[in-house]
Amino acid sequence: AQKVTQAQTEISVVEKEDVTLDCVYETRDTTYYLFWYKQPPSGELVFLIRRNSFDEQNEISGRYSWNFQKSTSSFNFTITASQVVDSAVYFCALSGLYNFNKFYFGSGTKLNVKP
Amino acid sequence: GAVVSQHPSRVICKSGTSVKIECRSLDFQATTMFWYRQFPKQSLMLMATSNEGSKATYEQGVEKDKFLINHASLTLSTLTVTSAHPEDSSFYICSARDLSGRKTQYFGPGTRLLVL
Repeated sequence: AQKVTQAQTEISVVEKEDVTLDCVYETRDTTYYLFWYKQPPSGELVFLIRRNSFDEQNEISGRYSWNFQKSTSSFNFTITASQVVDSAVYFCALSGLYNFNKFYFGSGTKLNVKP
Repeated sequence: GAVVSQHPSRVICKSGTSVKIECRSLDFQATTMFWYRQFPKQSLMLMATSNEGSKATYEQGVEKDKFLINHASLTLSTLTVTSAHPEDSSFYICSARDLSGRKTQYFGPGTRLLVL
């Protein structure tokens, strides 16, 4: 079965703290894509990263970093030195590598960054 | 980057009326578009896959006669919520698949539907 689990429903941190959002996935596919999206209160999904299953190299983009570990089926997202503007709901998602027909979204983690 | 638009962004209607939501890919052709529904504080759930020139494929539990999908061109898919009821109030998001090189899905900004 295809499934994405985000166990953290809501996280609150104080500005400048580091925070890690967890994502665990299940898939029968040997090749697949993993994604992270940010959804601010306006509702629009903001694409953050796409990672294919062939590439386990961790990625860093500014204050954002992602840790992909196939052995534990996890794709965690860390925000370093969080800012109030990071407050949003973050979704992890899974799709097939050669077939983008279905995105399986996790339940989302609401991040509250307080000043 | 690729852009997907939705219209309207917000709609309020009376119970029993039908509402049409448009999803357009603005700078690429999309043979396949997808419709998602998101209830408050919940995740996005795929409702149906819209294929240009053919019938849509609905996910289990989604009433095809209630949620009519038309994908008449390579850049436009419409979702019509027929005889809307308050329980249909939700955030509807479309996405379009771009196969040219980029090979990914792009999401629209969403449409908030409130049925009174």
